[in-house]
Amino acid sequence: SAVISQKPSRDICQRGTSLTIQCQVDSQVTMMFWYRQQPGQSLTLIATANQGSEATYESGFVIDKFPISRPNLTFSTLTVSNMSPEDSSIYLCSVEGGTSGNTIYFGEGSWLTVV
Amino acid sequence: AQSVTQPDIHITVSEGASLELRCNYSYGATPYLFWYVQSPGQGLQLLLKYFSGDTLVQGIKGFEAEFKRSQSSFNLRKPSVHWSDAAEYFCAVARTDSWGKLQFGAGTQVVVTP
Repeated sequence: SAVISQKPSRDICQRGTSLTIQCQVDSQVTMMFWYRQQPGQSLTLIATANQGSEATYESGFVIDKFPISRPNLTFSTLTVSNMSPEDSSIYLCSVEGGTSGNTIYFGEGSWLTVV
Repeated sequence: AQSVTQPDIHITVSEGASLELRCNYSYGATPYLFWYVQSPGQGLQLLLKYFSGDTLVQGIKGFEAEFKRSQSSFNLRKPSVHWSDAAEYFCAVARTDSWGKLQFGAGTQVVVTP
């Protein structure tokens, strides 16, 4: 199985600031995925991060608001820019893994509250 | 486009009773299906998955799920729930453009009473 570590686990942020979330995986993976879970809601895919190329964003999410880096095969960052209270969410990183590469693992999530 | 429906937003079950959570999907081909659990303040934990083969899938924590193509369903079951099963449960289907991208249902909140 893949072990995913996210930092920070929780944070309280001021409106208008930016925060970068880190995702570290214990093995090399081709694709990493970032999801958002707004309070009381389900998970929504933000973007896919491939090493060596720009991230691909889902409808409704833009690079200016959620810039992503993928410097190597075990690490990615998601920045939430110019935060507003509506950005208060859990942000989760996920990867494909498993012995057959057919399992999707999630990190513990980064719980952001914007005040 | 794929979609996942979890008809029950909230279920209350007594400890020791059986539990069944419903999941219906909309998908053109054979879907890759997952059930995840999210305990309060925790991330997502994979309970089980279905890719192909035996339609009755065994997972962790005593859970199982049955894939029924004719009903487009992938319901999760547990014969006897424990208080620690109180959590949010999410059904998900892999998207056609990349199986690593998941489309999630709205989730079912399970409350376990003594």
